[in-house]
Amino acid sequence: KNQVEQSPQSLIILEGKNCTLQCNYTVSPFSNLRWYKQDTGRGPVSLTIMTFSENTKSNGRYTATLDADTKQSSLHITASQLSDSASYICVVSYGGATNKLIFGTGTLLAVQP
Amino acid sequence: AAGVIQSPRHLIKEKRETATLKCYPIPRHDTVYWYQQGPGQDPQFLISFYEKMQSDKGSIPDRFSAQQFSDYHSELNMSSLELGDSALYFCASSERPGLAGFEQYFGPGTRLTVT
Repeated sequence: KNQVEQSPQSLIILEGKNCTLQCNYTVSPFSNLRWYKQDTGRGPVSLTIMTFSENTKSNGRYTATLDADTKQSSLHITASQLSDSASYICVVSYGGATNKLIFGTGTLLAVQP
Repeated sequence: AAGVIQSPRHLIKEKRETATLKCYPIPRHDTVYWYQQGPGQDPQFLISFYEKMQSDKGSIPDRFSAQQFSDYHSELNMSSLELGDSALYFCASSERPGLAGFEQYFGPGTRLTVT
């Protein structure tokens, strides 16, 4: 069964600290992996997208890694800001031509002053 | 930059009523996707359209139908609404379906409340 699991479910950190979110997936055939940030009641916003051959990709203070052998990905947030408080969703695309997405249940991050 | 536009942003309907949600993709995007996100749940894929033709179908109930028009905007029609249909409905658009790296850009969503 195609599945995307994320951990932790929720996380509280202090402003300025770093954190790492985890994503494990069992999706086949794998096309790409994306990390989205979703504010409450808003649409998901793409942070990074990585294909099979990419190990790491950065977008400002966000750095995603991908290990296609172990089927694991991480999203590292550096020097967190209050505006980073949101749900972070790992999404795996599969099926090649059909661009189907499997969403993880997300990690709810709260950054406190 | 122009984003995906959804209307209305909020909608309240009673059971057994009908609702129509609209999605306007980013200019030059020819593919539209619809997702349903229940409270505390991850988005579930409903249906997608490419060049005005249905390209893929997910967990869309038979009471729902959708289409993509000549200007590439899409409408999701929901009939015989049930309480369980209360959710956030997202529309996403992309340039072309299926190719790795073609990003789906999400709209802000329509919050449907069925009472």
